[in-house]
Amino acid sequence: GEDVEQSLFLSVREGDSSVINCTYTDSSSTYLYWYKQEPGAGLQLLTYIFSNMDMKQDQRLTVLLNKKDKHLSLRIADTQTGDSAIYFCAESTGGTYKYIFGTGTRLKVLA
Amino acid sequence: NAGVTQTPKFRVLKTGQSMTLLCAQDMNHEYMYWYRQDPGMGLRLIHYSVGEGTTAKGEVPDGYNVSRLKKQNFLLGLESAAPSQTSVYFCASRISGGADTDTQYFGPGTRLTVL
Repeated sequence: GEDVEQSLFLSVREGDSSVINCTYTDSSSTYLYWYKQEPGAGLQLLTYIFSNMDMKQDQRLTVLLNKKDKHLSLRIADTQTGDSAIYFCAESTGGTYKYIFGTGTRLKVLA
Repeated sequence: NAGVTQTPKFRVLKTGQSMTLLCAQDMNHEYMYWYRQDPGMGLRLIHYSVGEGTTAKGEVPDGYNVSRLKKQNFLLGLESAAPSQTSVYFCASRISGGADTDTQYFGPGTRLTVL
């Protein structure tokens, strides 16, 4: 079945760039998402990319999609302590109810 | 515009007790979802609804029931709680049609502990 995989932890120093990676198996994915979850809170949509795009940039966030390798990444430039959170990758196939979430990557930013 | 809200925020139950979690959204979204989040497992879909009066099973529906009597509300029921249902429960909604149609919006979660 479909699966989305992420590494569990990432630690970076404040001011450095963070790169969070995700791989997925469903080749029919239409949208791919990055969500941020802060402690004790729900998931907040950070950005999404349509499957016919290679890259999307939104301020400090850059999303790269390699559809051939089914690999998605989120780059956070100039990482701040407020970026410490769990980041979830997710995919959906347009027109269906179904979303598949990864296990989440816990980002820790060291001052 | 409150978005997606969940009631209650926390609850402790004893094994065998029942309870209902309420999700409400004020965005006029057609689709609503209930997920559970467990450590190291991401989010798993319990039940979902594509419109008022309709519900369907997701990935892990056993032990739960749902109802969508009003478009803005989606209720998740536990008839006889078990310790395996200790989890954080998230509700989400999304619009049907229009731009960003696939984007889900999440509530803040309900932390449930079953003793």
